[in-house]
Amino acid sequence: DADVTQTPRNRITKTGKRIMLECSQTKGHDRMYWYRQDPGLGLRLIYYSFDVKDINKGEISDGYSVSRQAQAKFSLSLESAIPNQTALYFCATSDRLAGGPSSYNEQFFGPGTRLTVL
Amino acid sequence: AQSVTQLDSQVPVFEEAPVELRCNYSSSVSVYLFWYVQYPNQGLQLLLKYLSGSTLVKGINGFEAEFNKSQTSFHLRKPSVHISDTAEYFCAVSAPGGGTSYGKLTFGQGTILTVHP
Repeated sequence: DADVTQTPRNRITKTGKRIMLECSQTKGHDRMYWYRQDPGLGLRLIYYSFDVKDINKGEISDGYSVSRQAQAKFSLSLESAIPNQTALYFCATSDRLAGGPSSYNEQFFGPGTRLTVL
Repeated sequence: AQSVTQLDSQVPVFEEAPVELRCNYSSSVSVYLFWYVQYPNQGLQLLLKYLSGSTLVKGINGFEAEFNKSQTSFHLRKPSVHISDTAEYFCAVSAPGGGTSYGKLTFGQGTILTVHP
């Protein structure tokens, strides 16, 4: 079984609809992230959460909201979808930092959700 | 703040030829550097990372990268590519140290490597 799962994998919706993308992880990681990928732009961070009570905006949070329901679940919502939110969305997780400033914990990515807003 | 520029959006190459994917970064502080690979219809997978120490780092699948601080570059290389290396490759940077910025990745635009038979 995959460690980081995303549902749905593909979704087509209409402008103005509310939609939720879900991410679950079995890695036991504290930190979770939502990115969107657009051709030629790479991945851009939407929101990130360092634990259940710590949620932060990324570089492109406008038009999105998130919910960290539990350590293992992090959902991304589009309250009123618009066509320029058509993209590939990735969830990622990483462990709590254990060491000092020179430590690093790898981010593990889910398989992605392809969202199309008509 | 950090930024990453991947200098080539697409790199076509023949099988068994060498390849270099270029990445330059900008940062006012020291950084950690990464290369991720995304195979078709899959999520991202870490290829290799530079945190400190030797500037030449080796990763999975025969890839390696060299950190050049003076040129602020972290180019990815493979001496002989295979068809299975066809994928999109992303360079990324993260700031070390504490604080809320720790652990966040800033990605480049991606380079699509296509290996032809």
